[in-house]
Amino acid sequence: QKEVEQNSGPLSVPEGAIASLNCTYSDRVSQSFFWYRQYSGKSPELIMSIYSNGDKEDGRFTAQLNKASQYVSLLIRDSQPSDSATYLCAVNRSNYKLTFGKGTLLTVNP
Amino acid sequence: SAVISQKPSRDICQRGTSLTIQCQVDSQVTMMFWYRQQPGQSLTLIATANQGSEATYESGFVIDKFPISRPNLTFSTLTVSNLSPEDSSIYLCSVDSGGAYNEQFFGPGTRLTVL
Repeated sequence: QKEVEQNSGPLSVPEGAIASLNCTYSDRVSQSFFWYRQYSGKSPELIMSIYSNGDKEDGRFTAQLNKASQYVSLLIRDSQPSDSATYLCAVNRSNYKLTFGKGTLLTVNP
Repeated sequence: SAVISQKPSRDICQRGTSLTIQCQVDSQVTMMFWYRQQPGQSLTLIATANQGSEATYESGFVIDKFPISRPNLTFSTLTVSNLSPEDSSIYLCSVDSGGAYNEQFFGPGTRLTVL
């Protein structure tokens, strides 16, 4: 089983819709969870961090964490064409290292 | 978050040569990391660079191929040695935020093409 798994997509949503991105991880000792956005040809940009079970909201973004199910998700409300990018899920175990999923390509259609 | 710069932003190199990539941070950071992102792939950690100690390499990466320096708390270099076309990738440095949850922030990356 891969350490961090994401659907590779592409996920296509219409402008204004909710985009839902999912990630599962295998190591139960994982403590911190991150979502990075990566535009084509650019480096990853941290957009959300979550550490506790439940929801964390920041603007149009909501991260959800369920440690019992080893599942973390990212919801993007009112999706915009500028949200079109690859979204990388990253997991931090008890050390400082991040393990990344392969990313989900999101396309928001005008 | 810290401002991170990398040099060069891109380079085209001949097989058998080496490329040294520089990573500069505008504030002192304890931990710096070097990643590789091969075309169409996610990020793979090459090594962790701490000031004052040898870099710690991940499985599949060796010091002879990827020597790293960390002379101070704001700077690190990664050298990719004896280049082959398989080394064509984007190389990224990142820094640990120093917070309780170890958020990492990335530099702009170096795109390497080996002919």
